[in-house]
Amino acid sequence: GENVEQHPSTLSVQEGDSAVIKCTYSDSASNYFPWYKQELGKGPQLIIDIRSNVGEKKDQRIAVTLNKTAKHFSLHITETQPEDSAVYFCAASNPPDKLVFGAGTILRVKS
Amino acid sequence: DGGITQSPKYLFRKEGQNVTLSCEQNLNHDAMYWYRQDPGQGLRLIYYSQIVNDFQKGDIAEGYSVSREKKESFPLTVTSAQKNPTAFYLCASSINRGGSRGETQYFGPGTRLLVL
Repeated sequence: GENVEQHPSTLSVQEGDSAVIKCTYSDSASNYFPWYKQELGKGPQLIIDIRSNVGEKKDQRIAVTLNKTAKHFSLHITETQPEDSAVYFCAASNPPDKLVFGAGTILRVKS
Repeated sequence: DGGITQSPKYLFRKEGQNVTLSCEQNLNHDAMYWYRQDPGQGLRLIYYSQIVNDFQKGDIAEGYSVSREKKESFPLTVTSAQKNPTAFYLCASSINRGGSRGETQYFGPGTRLLVL
């Protein structure tokens, strides 16, 4: 089955700097890759997603890139703010009706 | 407001007791999911349902049971056979268009289960 690895497990950045989180997946048949943000004690919230027919997608300060050949995708957050501090999860859909999640990245934005 | 609700927010289980976690959605989604989240770990799939009156085991179904009698509701029972039930339980739902296209899952606020 699908396996998703996520790095780093923790990331500390200074306010205003950029943050990058990377994920790799194992099954080339996976075709949908969402990113979720989870604040303490709450459910994950979708922040951006990308499908396998697209290489990059942007939404204000957040972008996701996908390299199908290398089977990896990345989340980029620019101009980080303290409210960006949270746990971020990547996921890959395989088969289409299931999501396989990475282990998560704790992002700390220091002001 | 459209969304997913889970209740209760906190639940305490005594040894040997079955407990049921509620999940309701008014998004008109066909598919619903239950995940377990342990501290510092990702989400692991317990059960999922693509349509009413049908459900499938996920990766860690042992010690859990579900039912899907209504489109809006997907309750999860943690049975006494689940020896380590302390965790954060998350319910999610998504559109089910069929085919090979992955769909976005939307999550509820979660239920934290603690063992007395």
